Parts: sequence; structure tokens; C-alpha cells
Amino acid sequence: DAEITQSPRHKITETGRQVTLACHQTWNHNNMFWYRQDLGHGLRLIHYSYGVHDTNKGEVSDGYSVSRSNTEDLPLTLESAASSQTSVYFCASSPSGRSYEQYFGPGTRLTVT
Amino acid sequence: LAKTTQPISMDSYEGQEVNITCSHNNIATNDYITWYQQFPSQGPRFIIQGYKTKVTNEVASLFIPADRKSSTLSLPRVSLSDTAVYYCLVGAINAGGTSYGKLTFGQGTILTVHP
Repeated sequence: DAEITQSPRHKITETGRQVTLACHQTWNHNNMFWYRQDLGHGLRLIHYSYGVHDTNKGEVSDGYSVSRSNTEDLPLTLESAASSQTSVYFCASSPSGRSYEQYFGPGTRLTVT
Repeated sequence: LAKTTQPISMDSYEGQEVNITCSHNNIATNDYITWYQQFPSQGPRFIIQGYKTKVTNEVASLFIPADRKSSTLSLPRVSLSDTAVYYCLVGAINAGGTSYGKLTFGQGTILTVHP
């Protein structure tokens, strides 16, 4: 069955380190999204992509970057991890023409110490 | 983007129908209304989407009045497994079905279903 996976599921890192979170989907969806979820803030969009080589900034993109080299993957990189980036990160994908119908991954819990 | 307002929490009992209302007074002509469900430690799950009147699928119904300033998600005969956070989102979708921008998740409504 088609699915969307995230790795690692849990990560502890130190302030200042570069961290990359992986997201892989097998639905062949063109649209992919990265969110973070914190208590009191709900889900906030970090970056999104509508296709290969396309990337767009969301509402909380500072300190994060993405690149889209193929349809299946959208890795999220924290250039220099900060304690404020401790959060649960969700990746999602959606079919072309239905970007409102997003399928979410299981999430990655990142702790920056 | 249209701002949405939902109750912070609701309680219900197994077997009851639950209606969660979302206010979106500034909804624009191109905006659609979408609802998601999120269980603890999981990503959100798409439930239903609509533009006006009534939409029904195997999980829920969505009622949208003529002025579209609010919408109501109706969950028939809830069970304990329906305990979750429910998000109402409003966003523009063009004729091709692609969101102009992005989905904005609010705080959502925590629904607790009791035995």
C-alpha cells in the first residue's frame, strides 16, 4: 500500500548542529508539506513544494530549508538547531489539484538540548 | 486567509450525534472549508471538504449555510475512538482544485467521548 514515512521518529541533538529529517511518500503526489506542532500553537507550516525543484516558504520557515530533487522525497534541514526548534514535525503530501486533502506522516519528535 | 473560531473543547457520550461549529466570518468567495481529525501522537487526517450546502461521506457530514460564515461538522453516533482534536480550515482553491497558498490550522476542538 502507498504510504508516507518519516525518519527518524525520535531525534535528540545539540544546539548548533545541522539536522535533516526525512520524508518519503509512495503515492506519487506532487504536493508535499512540512509542519511543526507545538503545544499552544497547533500546526504551523514550515515549507511546501508543489513539484520537483519547487519549494515555498511557510509561516515559520526561518532556520529551516528544503529541497525537492524527486517526487517521493522532501527532506527538511535545520541549518543550526536551536532549542526553540524542539517540536514534533509532520510531513504531508497531497495529490495535484487537491492540496487541501493532505496525508500526514507519523511525525518526528525532535529535541534540541 | 480567513480566520476560524471553534470551541476549545466538547464532551459527548457514545452513541450520540456530535456537531462542531466553526465560525469564519471573513470567508472569501474562493474559499473552501476543510475539516481534519487528529488523534494523540498521530498526524492529522482529512475528514471532509465543502463549499456550500451539505456534503456527506462515510465518516461525517458538513453543513454550510447560504452565507457561508460558519460551518458545522456532524459526527453521527460517536464512539470512544472518535475522541480527538478536530480542525476547521478555510482556504482558497482555484477551479483546478489547487490551494492558492496553504492550509492554516487553528487550535482545533478537543472532542472527548465518554462511555
